[in-house]
Amino acid sequence: AQSVTQPDIHITVSEGASLELRCNYSYGATPYLFWYVQSPGQGLQLLLKYFSGDTLVQGIKGFEAEFKRSQSSFNLRKPSVHWSDAAEYFCAVGAHGGGADGLTFGKGTHLIIQP
Amino acid sequence: DTGVSQDPRHKITKRGQNVTFRCDPISEHNRLYWYRQTLGQGPEFLTYFQNEAQLEKSRLLSDRFSAERPKGSFSTLEIQRTEQGDSAMYLCASSLPDRGSDTQYFGPGTRLTVL
Repeated sequence: AQSVTQPDIHITVSEGASLELRCNYSYGATPYLFWYVQSPGQGLQLLLKYFSGDTLVQGIKGFEAEFKRSQSSFNLRKPSVHWSDAAEYFCAVGAHGGGADGLTFGKGTHLIIQP
Repeated sequence: DTGVSQDPRHKITKRGQNVTFRCDPISEHNRLYWYRQTLGQGPEFLTYFQNEAQLEKSRLLSDRFSAERPKGSFSTLEIQRTEQGDSAMYLCASSLPDRGSDTQYFGPGTRLTVL
């Protein structure tokens, strides 16, 4: 069965500092990986995705993520965070072609930005 | 290109009542997914449609849950005889698979509170 682990429930970062959110997955085939962001009471916004090819993927709002097959990881990074980045971040894994299994999400990491 | 919309955004009901939520996908997206998100958790996949066909429904939480997509456009999720444990955010997502990739775009969700 597929699963996603986000080891950090909360992370606090100072504004302007760099950020790395961890994500480890378990999946029996080649995974299709996503990062979504959720503001309070809102739906999920897609930040970036990895399907194939270059293992370093760029997303919106200055985020990037690196797929490391040997470590079963897909960590999210940003060189300098802004106060508006405070939100809940979810890593997800799905099958190529999508469909019957939907996406499997981690429990999320709550990002707090200190002024 | 308008995004995924969901109605209502909030629903408060009494235990034992039936509720129905609507999802309008991004136009021309042929896949539609439903998820449930409880407090402090990531979204949990419930069911999905390709056009009007419901291709996966074994993950619906009980026989009190049902979903339809009668003309392959909007979808409804119904919960009969609601219980307090049904209180959650119900999220809808849509996608248009392209060369094996399937990226889901989420709506703002419907927050259900069962008293």
